[in-house]
Amino acid sequence: GAVVSQHPSRVICKSGTSVKIECRSLDFQATTMFWYRQFPKQSLMLMATSNEGSKATYEQGVEKDKFLINHASLTLSTLTVTSAHPEDSSFYICSAREGRVHYGYTFGSGTRLTVV
Amino acid sequence: RKEVEQDPGPFNVPEGATVAFNCTYSNSASQSFFWYRQDCRKEPKLLMSVYSSGNEDGRFTAQLNRASQYISLLIRDSKLSDSATYLCVVNPGSGGYQKVTFGTGTKLQVIP
Repeated sequence: GAVVSQHPSRVICKSGTSVKIECRSLDFQATTMFWYRQFPKQSLMLMATSNEGSKATYEQGVEKDKFLINHASLTLSTLTVTSAHPEDSSFYICSAREGRVHYGYTFGSGTRLTVV
Repeated sequence: RKEVEQDPGPFNVPEGATVAFNCTYSNSASQSFFWYRQDCRKEPKLLMSVYSSGNEDGRFTAQLNRASQYISLLIRDSKLSDSATYLCVVNPGSGGYQKVTFGTGTKLQVIP
């Protein structure tokens, strides 16, 4: 089945620094990937839709200059959290769908970001 | 009304019990539906797609009721390992890569 690899799985960074999270589709091409954020005991919230070769589409309330998304190839999307603050500490997950609608969406294993 | 609504639970059931969750959606044009399972501090994993005709996979049965705009998940003979949060996912579009909406999840705790 489809596999999505996400790295790193866990990162601790200092306030003001930037963190890059990678999301790769290992055995299929993904023209579109999705980035989610999940705070403790809350549901997954879509942050942005990453489109290969074009600009990402951000959800309302998500700062595009803070959460930089790059989807330079059909198998790789990156999310960079710039000038991180403690309130950015969260669980970030990417997902992609291989093709046919009934396959559902495959998720990366997630990145737990802690900003200190 | 929220796009996708689920009872957050928790549902505490004994081993061997049958438990059912519902999920309602507001967009009548929604095209595809899924149930995902999420364990604590892990990523969601696809449990099953929900077809118009309903579908069954072992102890799990999913149903779609378009008239009332809800999907359901039935778990028979609950196991301790079924303890998790079950997320309802609705895809509003037909084909392509559409933005999906997640329910907040229903927490299931199977107790010995």
